[in-house]
Amino acid sequence: GAVVSQHPSWVICKSGTSVKIECRSLDFQATTMFWYRQFPKQSLMLMATSNEGSKATYEQGVEKDKFLINHASLTLSTLTVTSAHPEDSSFYICSARERRGASPLHFGNGTRLTVT
Amino acid sequence: GEDVEQSLFLSVREGDSSVINCTYTDSSSTYLYWYKQEPGAGLQLLTYIFSNMDMKQDQRLTVLLNKKDKHLSLRIADTQTGDSAIYFCAELIDDYKLSFGAGTTVTVRA
Repeated sequence: GAVVSQHPSWVICKSGTSVKIECRSLDFQATTMFWYRQFPKQSLMLMATSNEGSKATYEQGVEKDKFLINHASLTLSTLTVTSAHPEDSSFYICSARERRGASPLHFGNGTRLTVT
Repeated sequence: GEDVEQSLFLSVREGDSSVINCTYTDSSSTYLYWYKQEPGAGLQLLTYIFSNMDMKQDQRLTVLLNKKDKHLSLRIADTQTGDSAIYFCAELIDDYKLSFGAGTTVTVRA
């Protein structure tokens, strides 16, 4: 089945630094990838839709200058948390689908970000 | 608040059946999904159902869809300890993105 690989699985960084998270579709091409944030014991909050070759579409309330998304190829999207602060500590999960519509989303295993 | 609603907790004895319920709001949703999340991990697709179906069965999993009431359920037969996890239902919105419920934490007790 379709596999989405997310890296790193966890990262600890100091306040003020930037962190990049990668999301790769391993055996399919994904024109669209999604980035979610999950707070402890809560559901997933869609942050943005990453579109290959064009700008990402951000959900309301998500700072695009804070969370930079790049979808440079059909198999790779990156999320960069810029100038991270402790309140950015969270579980970030990416997902991808093979085609629009019916095909289900396949999720990466998530990245636990801790900002000290 | 979320458009998809689920009960937050379910406790079930090992070997019994579990039923997780979900209601959604978008009557035009074409697909509805069930995902499982184990601690510290991403989401694993369990099953999904097309809106013109009433039921879908896949081994121990049975999905029931009542489109009139916008009600979706997931039944797990012969629940095992490995089934302890958070289960999310989700509806397809605008043909490309998923809206998730808050998740139901299932605890299987011996």
